[in-house]
Amino acid sequence: KQEVTQIPAALSVPEGENLVLNCSFTDSAIYNLQWFRQDPGKGLTSLLLIQSSQREQTSGRLNASLDKSSGRSTLYIAASQPGDSATYLCAALSNDYKLSFGAGTTVTVRA
Amino acid sequence: DAGITQSPRHKVTETGTPVTLRCHQTENHRYMYWYRQDPGHGLRLIHYSYGVKDTDKGEVSDGYSVSRSKTEDFLLTLESATSSQTSVYFCAISEPDRASSGANVLTFGAGSRLTVL
Repeated sequence: KQEVTQIPAALSVPEGENLVLNCSFTDSAIYNLQWFRQDPGKGLTSLLLIQSSQREQTSGRLNASLDKSSGRSTLYIAASQPGDSATYLCAALSNDYKLSFGAGTTVTVRA
Repeated sequence: DAGITQSPRHKVTETGTPVTLRCHQTENHRYMYWYRQDPGHGLRLIHYSYGVKDTDKGEVSDGYSVSRSKTEDFLLTLESATSSQTSVYFCAISEPDRASSGANVLTFGAGSRLTVL
């Protein structure tokens, strides 16, 4: 059974600082890994998807890396802004097409 | 993006009553999912479907049933609601990722908040 862990559970940084969010998974036999953003009381918005054959994926200020052998993915957010405050979740898609989520990291960017 | 509509968005019910949540998509995506989200547990898969009348259990399927009689609709039913089923329920579909050729992403609905008294 795939276990996905996100540490820390919460993070507070001043505006302008780079954010580093960690995600680890126990079973390296994944199809892809996806990062989501969730605002309070809202659904999940997909940010980035990294296929198992890729090492990283970039979109604007966001960069996600994947190291399957060590069971880790990292989401980097450059030059954080107050609008980046949200909960960020990672999810690993196993080869049986089931998605396992981490519990999320709640980010607060202080103005 | 596939339009995903969940209904109802909010519901309060009493223990022992049946409840049905509906997920509707505007495109013919094959895979649909029901998750619940609870503090400290993240999102957990309840059931999923890989086609009309083709469904399978997730990790927390006890007390829930699903039906998919049409491609666009995936129904989640709580036959006899319990207080432990108070949660936020999310429907998701799997659709091609525009940024990654050959990859599929999960796209989520806005959620249905269920309170069982």
